[in-house]
Amino acid sequence: DTAVSQTPKYLVTQMGNDKSIKCEQNLGHDTMYWYKQDSKKFLKIMFSYNNKELIINETVPNRFSPKSPDKAHLNLHINSLELGDSAVYFCASSQEGLAGADTQYFGPGTRLTVL
Amino acid sequence: GQNIDQPTEMTATEGAIVQINCTYQTSGFNGLFWYQQHAGEAPTFLSYNVLDGLEEKGRFSSFLSRSKGYSYLLLKELQMKDSASYLCAVYGQNFVFGPGTRLSVLP
Repeated sequence: DTAVSQTPKYLVTQMGNDKSIKCEQNLGHDTMYWYKQDSKKFLKIMFSYNNKELIINETVPNRFSPKSPDKAHLNLHINSLELGDSAVYFCASSQEGLAGADTQYFGPGTRLTVL
Repeated sequence: GQNIDQPTEMTATEGAIVQINCTYQTSGFNGLFWYQQHAGEAPTFLSYNVLDGLEEKGRFSSFLSRSKGYSYLLLKELQMKDSASYLCAVYGQNFVFGPGTRLSVLP
């Protein structure tokens, strides 16, 4: 069984569209994350949720809105997509937050291409 | 702010030992992480250090010196499958990743 899953795996869309990426974890973890990895492979944290509550919200345009309907899901909605949003988006989860010593498990990634 | 530096690329031979360094400047410190990422795949968590010293996990060890703003990841008995990028990340006031070190293991 997949521990952290994301859908879709690939997403190609036009500039200005609105799209969502879904993430689910079946590990029973309390904390979930969204990361963005750009074309230069630079990885950056975007959001962290603990038990459905927003913990970390890095400097991300407010076109990006995370939604956590329950602690097993953390979806990412992006409004008015821009060319610069093209990247690979990784979801991850861990039992505790970043200040804990436990392992973070990453999903396979969603490659978003904005045309 | 936070700044993290790692060598861009390293090459080593199968069976050897390699040390990947990470230096950082940070406001506050809540821990340092190492990740492995194979090309086209998701990162894999390797280690977490919050206290000074060496943490060993099988063939991989991670060292931290908070006073020097320095960490290293030590890989022993290198295997071809260890060819990957290794990312250092620091959790201070923010959670910031380094640029990554691409390691090539040659036969």
